[in-house]
Amino acid sequence: EAGVAQSPRYKIIEKRQSVAFWCNPISGHATLYWYQQILGQGPKLLIQFQNNGVVDDSQLPKDRFSAERLKGVDSTLKIQPAKLEDSAVYLCASSWGGQPNQPQHFGDGTRLSIL
Amino acid sequence: ELKVEQNPLFLSMQEGKNYTIYCNYSTTSDRLYWYRQDPGKSLESLFVLLSNGAVKQEGRLMASLDTKARLSTLHITAAVHDLSATYFCAVDMNYGGSQGNLIFGKGTKLSVKP
Repeated sequence: EAGVAQSPRYKIIEKRQSVAFWCNPISGHATLYWYQQILGQGPKLLIQFQNNGVVDDSQLPKDRFSAERLKGVDSTLKIQPAKLEDSAVYLCASSWGGQPNQPQHFGDGTRLSIL
Repeated sequence: ELKVEQNPLFLSMQEGKNYTIYCNYSTTSDRLYWYRQDPGKSLESLFVLLSNGAVKQEGRLMASLDTKARLSTLHITAAVHDLSATYFCAVDMNYGGSQGNLIFGKGTKLSVKP
């Protein structure tokens, strides 16, 4: 089966600019996650969707980050305006309906560098 | 707040040797996941552990879960160079419900040398 697709792979922007990332989950996966992975650390959940509804966005910095999952398939994550501390890899993951016995499948991520 | 601690954070091994990576977590959970990450790549699922005493094995890797001790181990048997990667454990905060917020450890960077 095709994996989780993310684009772009790399993005370099200046602080205070805006940026958007795109994710296409594995076909049929109802649950979609966005994670932020800072160099040398484990991923940190930003937001979880079940179909097109938000399940958990408690760790999303809502003053600058936004995410949507229209039609319950593809998702976009936006940062506006970007700060230096947003430099990280942004990972998208998906799973079957959030069942505990099904691991999350991760995409290759978008590496964001803020100048 | 759930905390997940892995140790060691860095591990240099010789081929053929055995070693164990430890994952401790601070609050009740019955779900623990192990992932592997190669440099510049994404995370690959290794094991899903869902109950106390669960043990899973795949090749040279074996994972176990002790929910009472809040401890999971990833044991490496007769290491080979191909196992060089960073290994993460992740604990699900949604005890008893659907899969939710995974809290990841900082990862153990494993280097296997000939």
